[in-house]
Amino acid sequence: QKEVEQDPGPLSVPEGAIVSLNCTYSNSAFQYFMWYRQYSRKGPELLMYTYSSGNKEDGRFTAQVDKSSKYISLFIRDSQPSDSATYLCAMKVYKLSFGAGTTVTVRA
Amino acid sequence: KAGVTQTPRYLIKTRGQQVTLSCSPISGHRSVSWYQQTPGQGLQFLFEYFSETQRNKGNFPGRFSGRQFSNSRSEMNVSTLELGDSALYLCASSSLGGSTEAFFGQGTRLTVV
Repeated sequence: QKEVEQDPGPLSVPEGAIVSLNCTYSNSAFQYFMWYRQYSRKGPELLMYTYSSGNKEDGRFTAQVDKSSKYISLFIRDSQPSDSATYLCAMKVYKLSFGAGTTVTVRA
Repeated sequence: KAGVTQTPRYLIKTRGQQVTLSCSPISGHRSVSWYQQTPGQGLQFLFEYFSETQRNKGNFPGRFSGRQFSNSRSEMNVSTLELGDSALYLCASSSLGGSTEAFFGQGTRLTVV
Protein backbone atom coordinates (compact mmCIF):
# COMPACT_ATOMS: atom_id res chain seq x y z
CA GLN A 1 0.00 0.00 0.00
CA LYS A 2 1.34 3.42 -0.93
CA GLU A 3 1.73 6.01 1.81
CA VAL A 4 -0.33 8.50 -0.20
CA GLU A 5 -3.17 7.50 -2.51
CA GLN A 6 -4.49 9.85 -5.16
CA ASP A 7 -6.79 9.02 -8.06
CA PRO A 8 -4.86 9.93 -11.23
CA GLY A 9 -8.07 10.71 -13.12
CA PRO A 10 -8.17 12.17 -15.69
CA LEU A 11 -10.84 14.62 -14.62
CA SER A 12 -12.60 16.81 -17.18
CA VAL A 13 -14.98 19.60 -16.16
CA PRO A 14 -16.66 22.53 -17.93
CA GLU A 15 -15.44 26.04 -17.28
CA GLY A 16 -16.98 27.49 -14.14
CA ALA A 17 -17.46 24.13 -12.42
CA ILE A 18 -16.06 23.20 -9.03
CA VAL A 19 -13.10 20.86 -9.20
CA SER A 20 -12.82 18.44 -6.28
CA LEU A 21 -9.57 16.59 -5.66
CA ASN A 22 -8.63 14.35 -2.77
CA CYS A 23 -5.96 12.15 -1.27
CA THR A 24 -5.83 9.61 1.49
CA TYR A 25 -2.81 8.65 3.50
CA SER A 26 -1.74 5.94 5.87
CA ASN A 27 1.15 7.50 7.81
CA SER A 28 -0.11 9.16 10.99
CA ALA A 29 3.23 10.94 11.31
CA PHE A 30 2.39 13.31 8.46
CA GLN A 31 1.96 16.76 9.92
CA TYR A 32 2.19 19.11 6.97
CA PHE A 33 0.03 18.97 3.87
CA MET A 34 0.52 20.67 0.54
CA TRP A 35 -1.08 20.88 -2.85
CA TYR A 36 0.99 21.55 -5.91
CA ARG A 37 -0.02 22.35 -9.46
CA GLN A 38 2.21 21.13 -12.26
CA TYR A 39 1.92 22.18 -15.86
CA SER A 40 3.40 20.00 -18.56
CA ARG A 41 7.21 20.09 -18.56
CA LYS A 42 7.32 22.48 -15.60
CA GLY A 43 8.20 22.11 -11.95
CA PRO A 44 5.44 21.79 -9.32
CA GLU A 45 4.05 25.10 -8.07
CA LEU A 46 2.95 25.34 -4.45
CA LEU A 47 -0.75 26.20 -4.19
CA MET A 48 -1.70 25.51 -0.59
CA TYR A 49 0.10 24.61 2.62
CA THR A 50 -1.53 23.63 5.86
CA TYR A 51 -0.62 21.81 9.03
CA SER A 52 -3.86 21.55 10.93
CA SER A 53 -7.20 19.89 10.44
CA GLY A 54 -9.87 22.14 9.00
CA ASN A 55 -10.23 24.43 6.02
CA LYS A 56 -7.89 26.94 4.49
CA GLU A 57 -9.00 29.26 1.75
CA ASP A 58 -6.95 31.23 -0.75
CA GLY A 59 -8.90 32.91 -3.52
CA ARG A 60 -10.63 30.25 -5.58
CA PHE A 61 -8.81 27.44 -3.77
CA THR A 62 -9.89 25.71 -0.57
CA ALA A 63 -7.86 23.02 1.13
CA GLN A 64 -9.38 20.69 3.69
CA VAL A 65 -7.54 18.38 6.05
CA ASP A 66 -9.17 15.71 8.17
CA LYS A 67 -6.44 14.07 10.21
CA SER A 68 -8.82 11.72 11.98
CA SER A 69 -9.83 10.22 8.63
CA LYS A 70 -6.40 10.71 7.03
CA TYR A 71 -8.04 12.51 4.14
CA ILE A 72 -7.24 15.79 2.43
CA SER A 73 -9.07 17.67 -0.30
CA LEU A 74 -8.60 20.58 -2.64
CA PHE A 75 -11.52 22.45 -4.16
CA ILE A 76 -11.18 24.87 -7.06
CA ARG A 77 -14.16 27.17 -7.51
CA ASP A 78 -15.09 28.86 -10.78
CA SER A 79 -12.58 26.74 -12.66
CA GLN A 80 -10.84 28.25 -15.69
CA PRO A 81 -9.13 26.64 -18.69
CA SER A 82 -5.85 27.91 -17.21
CA ASP A 83 -6.46 25.56 -14.26
CA SER A 84 -5.88 22.61 -16.59
CA ALA A 85 -2.86 20.88 -15.07
CA THR A 86 -1.81 17.98 -12.89
CA TYR A 87 -2.53 18.49 -9.20
CA LEU A 88 -0.32 16.74 -6.69
CA CYS A 89 -0.98 16.30 -3.02
CA ALA A 90 2.09 16.08 -0.82
CA MET A 91 2.64 15.32 2.83
CA LYS A 92 5.64 15.77 4.99
CA VAL A 93 7.47 14.46 7.99
CA TYR A 94 11.04 15.25 6.95
CA LYS A 95 10.54 14.68 3.23
CA LEU A 96 7.64 15.20 0.88
CA SER A 97 5.64 12.11 -0.01
CA PHE A 98 3.56 12.71 -3.09
CA GLY A 99 0.38 11.31 -4.50
CA ALA A 100 0.38 10.16 -8.11
CA GLY A 101 -1.21 13.41 -9.27
CA THR A 102 -4.63 14.03 -10.82
CA THR A 103 -4.76 15.38 -14.36
CA VAL A 104 -7.48 18.01 -14.68
CA THR A 105 -8.85 19.50 -17.90
CA VAL A 106 -11.19 22.48 -17.75
CA ARG A 107 -13.14 22.74 -21.00
CA ALA A 108 -13.93 26.23 -22.33
CA LYS B 1 12.58 37.55 -5.11
CA ALA B 2 14.12 35.04 -7.50
CA GLY B 3 12.81 31.51 -7.40
CA VAL B 4 14.65 28.22 -7.47
CA THR B 5 17.00 27.96 -10.42
CA GLN B 6 18.06 24.65 -11.89
CA THR B 7 20.63 24.21 -14.61
CA PRO B 8 20.80 22.87 -17.19
CA ARG B 9 17.16 22.52 -18.22
CA TYR B 10 17.81 19.63 -20.57
CA LEU B 11 20.55 17.03 -20.84
CA ILE B 12 21.17 14.06 -23.07
CA LYS B 13 23.77 11.57 -21.88
CA THR B 14 24.95 8.13 -22.90
CA ARG B 15 24.74 5.06 -20.69
CA GLY B 16 27.76 4.77 -18.45
CA GLN B 17 28.50 8.48 -18.37
CA GLN B 18 28.08 10.65 -15.32
CA VAL B 19 26.17 13.88 -14.94
CA THR B 20 26.06 16.83 -12.54
CA LEU B 21 22.96 18.93 -12.01
CA SER B 22 22.89 22.26 -10.23
CA CYS B 23 20.32 23.98 -8.04
CA SER B 24 20.36 27.51 -6.64
CA PRO B 25 17.72 27.87 -3.90
CA ILE B 26 15.67 30.92 -3.04
CA SER B 27 17.82 33.53 -1.36
CA GLY B 28 17.94 32.90 2.38
CA HIS B 29 16.79 29.29 2.12
CA ARG B 30 19.15 26.79 3.69
CA SER B 31 17.47 23.51 2.85
CA VAL B 32 17.66 21.92 -0.59
CA SER B 33 15.98 18.63 -1.45
CA TRP B 34 16.19 16.66 -4.65
CA TYR B 35 13.42 14.58 -6.21
CA GLN B 36 13.19 12.33 -9.24
CA GLN B 37 9.98 12.37 -11.27
CA THR B 38 9.12 9.60 -13.72
CA PRO B 39 5.79 8.64 -15.28
CA GLY B 40 5.86 5.25 -13.61
CA GLN B 41 7.05 6.12 -10.10
CA GLY B 42 5.93 9.71 -9.74
CA LEU B 43 7.94 12.00 -7.48
CA GLN B 44 10.46 10.25 -5.29
CA PHE B 45 12.75 11.77 -2.68
CA LEU B 46 16.48 11.51 -3.30
CA PHE B 47 18.10 13.48 -0.47
CA GLU B 48 18.05 16.70 1.51
CA TYR B 49 20.88 19.01 2.37
CA PHE B 50 20.88 21.61 5.10
CA SER B 51 23.81 23.85 5.91
CA GLU B 52 26.16 21.75 3.76
CA THR B 53 25.19 18.49 5.49
CA GLN B 54 23.10 15.68 4.11
CA ARG B 55 20.23 15.46 6.55
CA ASN B 56 18.06 12.78 4.96
CA LYS B 57 18.41 10.28 2.17
CA GLY B 58 15.89 8.38 0.08
CA ASN B 59 16.04 4.87 -1.21
CA PHE B 60 18.29 5.32 -4.23
CA PRO B 61 21.56 3.55 -5.08
CA GLY B 62 24.92 5.05 -4.22
CA ARG B 63 25.34 6.21 -7.82
CA PHE B 64 23.21 9.15 -6.79
CA SER B 65 25.06 11.65 -4.66
CA GLY B 66 24.93 15.31 -3.84
CA ARG B 67 26.51 18.12 -1.98
CA GLN B 68 25.72 21.60 -0.80
CA PHE B 69 27.99 24.60 -0.75
CA SER B 70 28.32 27.35 1.82
CA ASN B 71 26.08 29.63 -0.26
CA SER B 72 23.36 26.91 -0.12
CA ARG B 73 23.68 26.04 -3.80
CA SER B 74 23.50 22.32 -4.33
CA GLU B 75 24.68 19.85 -6.91
CA MET B 76 23.50 16.37 -7.62
CA ASN B 77 25.67 13.80 -9.35
CA VAL B 78 24.67 10.56 -11.00
CA SER B 79 27.46 8.22 -12.01
CA THR B 80 27.38 5.27 -14.39
CA LEU B 81 24.12 6.37 -15.95
CA GLU B 82 21.48 3.80 -16.79
CA LEU B 83 18.54 4.11 -19.17
CA GLY B 84 16.21 4.03 -16.17
CA ASP B 85 17.77 7.23 -14.83
CA SER B 86 15.95 9.19 -17.54
CA ALA B 87 13.66 11.49 -15.58
CA LEU B 88 12.85 15.01 -14.53
CA TYR B 89 15.08 15.92 -11.60
CA LEU B 90 13.57 18.52 -9.35
CA CYS B 91 15.12 20.60 -6.66
CA ALA B 92 13.04 22.00 -3.79
CA SER B 93 14.09 24.89 -1.61
CA SER B 94 12.80 25.67 1.86
CA SER B 95 13.96 28.05 4.52
CA LEU B 96 14.64 25.48 7.21
CA GLY B 97 13.35 22.19 5.85
CA GLY B 98 11.10 20.36 8.26
CA SER B 99 7.79 22.15 8.64
CA THR B 100 8.46 24.96 6.21
CA GLU B 101 7.01 25.14 2.71
CA ALA B 102 8.99 23.70 -0.18
CA PHE B 103 9.29 25.53 -3.49
CA PHE B 104 10.37 23.73 -6.62
CA GLY B 105 12.51 24.72 -9.55
CA GLN B 106 11.63 23.99 -13.16
CA GLY B 107 13.68 20.82 -13.14
CA THR B 108 16.37 19.29 -15.29
CA ARG B 109 15.12 16.78 -17.83
CA LEU B 110 17.74 14.08 -18.21
CA THR B 111 17.57 11.65 -21.09
CA VAL B 112 19.93 8.68 -21.09
CA VAL B 113 20.44 7.00 -24.45
